[in-house]
Amino acid sequence: EAQVTQNPRYLITVTGKKLTVTCSQNMNHEYMSWYRQDPGLGLRQIYYSMNVEVTDKGDVPEGYKVSRKEKRNFPLILESPSPNQTSLYFCASSSIAAEYYFGPGTRLTVL
Amino acid sequence: AQSVTQLDSHVSVSEGTPVLLRCNYSSSYSPSLFWYVQHPNKGLQLLLKYTSAATLVKGINGFEAEFKKSETSFHLTKPSAHMSDAAEYFCVVSNVGTSYGKLTFGQGTILTVHP
Repeated sequence: EAQVTQNPRYLITVTGKKLTVTCSQNMNHEYMSWYRQDPGLGLRQIYYSMNVEVTDKGDVPEGYKVSRKEKRNFPLILESPSPNQTSLYFCASSSIAAEYYFGPGTRLTVL
Repeated sequence: AQSVTQLDSHVSVSEGTPVLLRCNYSSSYSPSLFWYVQHPNKGLQLLLKYTSAATLVKGINGFEAEFKKSETSFHLTKPSAHMSDAAEYFCVVSNVGTSYGKLTFGQGTILTVHP
């Protein structure tokens, strides 16, 4: 089954404790990206990747890091999380000129 | 640069009446346009997409959208609303080409369907 998986689905952590949210797709897609969803603000792109080792900033990259060492994986790293990064996070993947497949979401709370 | 404006943050209709969700976009290149739906506490599901083929695009669950380049619009319509259509809808733009990975979402339109 074609899918994008994210782990964990729910996470509560404390300020400053490094964390990684994993994203994996099984469709051999070139494009992968991360979004955060906040009430009243819609979804905003954090980072995106056009292929292995090729990444670029989205609209709200501050406080986040990404890496694309393998085509199927695109982890999101928060090296020093802060409460303003409490949000619902989505990963997505696509091949060019095709639809984007979204993961189920990760709800992050930073205390 | 690209941007999306969804003209209504909330739309309320009665079951069986038409639905119109409005979306305007701006893009420096040939755009790809999408409508996604998000039901409460769920992920995002693709309704339909436009990628420079036919300007009238048919999607799932009876939805369709028309790409109008002269008006830079991509409005979503459905002839008859169903209770199960109640959800939040997002208009999304991307550019065909090297920046295809950059997606820009509209703010979302919450659709309420009354019995």
